[in-house]
Amino acid sequence: KAGVTQTPRYLIKTRGQQVTLSCSPISGHRSVSWYQQTPGQGLQFLFEYFSETQRNKGNFPGRFSGRQFSNSRSEMNVSTLELGDSALYLCASSTPESSGANVLTFGAGSRLTVL
Amino acid sequence: DQQVKQNSPSLSVQEGRISILNCDYTNSMFDYFLWYKKYPAEGPTFLISISSIKDKNEDGRFTVFLNKSAKHLSLHIVPSQPGDSAVYFCAARRSNSGGSNYKLTFGKGTLLTVNP
Repeated sequence: KAGVTQTPRYLIKTRGQQVTLSCSPISGHRSVSWYQQTPGQGLQFLFEYFSETQRNKGNFPGRFSGRQFSNSRSEMNVSTLELGDSALYLCASSTPESSGANVLTFGAGSRLTVL
Repeated sequence: DQQVKQNSPSLSVQEGRISILNCDYTNSMFDYFLWYKKYPAEGPTFLISISSIKDKNEDGRFTVFLNKSAKHLSLHIVPSQPGDSAVYFCAARRSNSGGSNYKLTFGKGTLLTVNP
């Protein structure tokens, strides 16, 4: 069974630009979550999508947005990039809600560097 | 307000000895606690979890203990192996978090180094 696939793995942008990151969940997983990892803050929740609907959102500015497609693939977008947006962006997918412990399966992440 | 805290940024132990990683939380609404392990250039991988109705869960070399009254949990690794060297994240799930069961609150992580 293929894992969670994130593309691109690495990218460099300049301040003011925008970026789109992609995530393909494990087949059959309908929930996709996004997290930002920075050295000082650990993993911080961005948002979660289920059946193309955003179900939960973290405390990030409106420059951070996302969407989910009918095949459960998800994208997140960051507009007007700032230096502080440099981070590892992690996508995770989850089994249906009856699973109990909602174990997240993470992708390897997209490393964004803003210059 | 950091609801999940891992106060030790790093821990170093000798191979074969016990590793104890600690985690404290403040939100009484958390009903599930999880530990993830992360190697460089990889995403976090699930290690072990515990429900708030239990005080211990064991899986091979890994045991998680939960002390609800102290709002504290710990991960014990016995015996520690060099391959266990990684960053360990404690995470917690709040019951009925806005209709979703998939929002986790993570600590900042503890870097474990197991020396041969």
